[in-house]
Amino acid sequence: KAGVTQTPRYLIKTRGQQVTLSCSPISGHRSVSWYQQTPGQGLQFLFEYFSETQRNKGNFPGRFSGRQFSNSRSEMNVSTLELGDSALYLCASSRDSDSPLHFGNGTRLTVT
Amino acid sequence: EDQVTQSPEALRLQEGESSSLNCSYTVSGLRGLFWYRQDPGKGPEFLFTLYSAGEEKEKERLKATLTKKESFLHITAPKPEDSATYLCAVAYGQNFVFGPGTRLSVLP
Repeated sequence: KAGVTQTPRYLIKTRGQQVTLSCSPISGHRSVSWYQQTPGQGLQFLFEYFSETQRNKGNFPGRFSGRQFSNSRSEMNVSTLELGDSALYLCASSRDSDSPLHFGNGTRLTVT
Repeated sequence: EDQVTQSPEALRLQEGESSSLNCSYTVSGLRGLFWYRQDPGKGPEFLFTLYSAGEEKEKERLKATLTKKESFLHITAPKPEDSATYLCAVAYGQNFVFGPGTRLSVLP
């Protein structure tokens, strides 16, 4: 069974640009969550999508947005990038809200 | 305030030296507690789920236990390949919150 796939693995962007990250969940998983991981803040929850609807949202500014498609694949967008957005962005999928999250290996975003 | 903490922040063990990692939580309505292992440059890898106080789960050299306010991850006779960051996460209400992790180094 294929795991969670995230693309791209690495990205370098300039301040002010925007970026789109992609996530393909495990087959059969309808919930997709996104997390930001930095050395100082650990894993911070961004948002969760279930059946194309945002079900939960963390405390991030509106520059961070996401969506989920009918095939459960998800994208995350960050607009007007800031230096502080440099982080590992992790996507995770699960069967339902009480099931464990299964993570991809992340997209390493560097903003210069 | 709802919170998930882990201790110690970092732990160095000699190969074969058993120890325990702690995850403490102050949340209402716990739905589950999860343990993950994360290697550098990779996403967290799921280890265990615990749903109720008194529950225990085992996998190779790892054993996870749960009480009403904390969970322990016991590592018996660790090997260098057990070196990683161990994260706990708590599901409650609509939330799924991770602790800051314990960075474990096992020296040969």
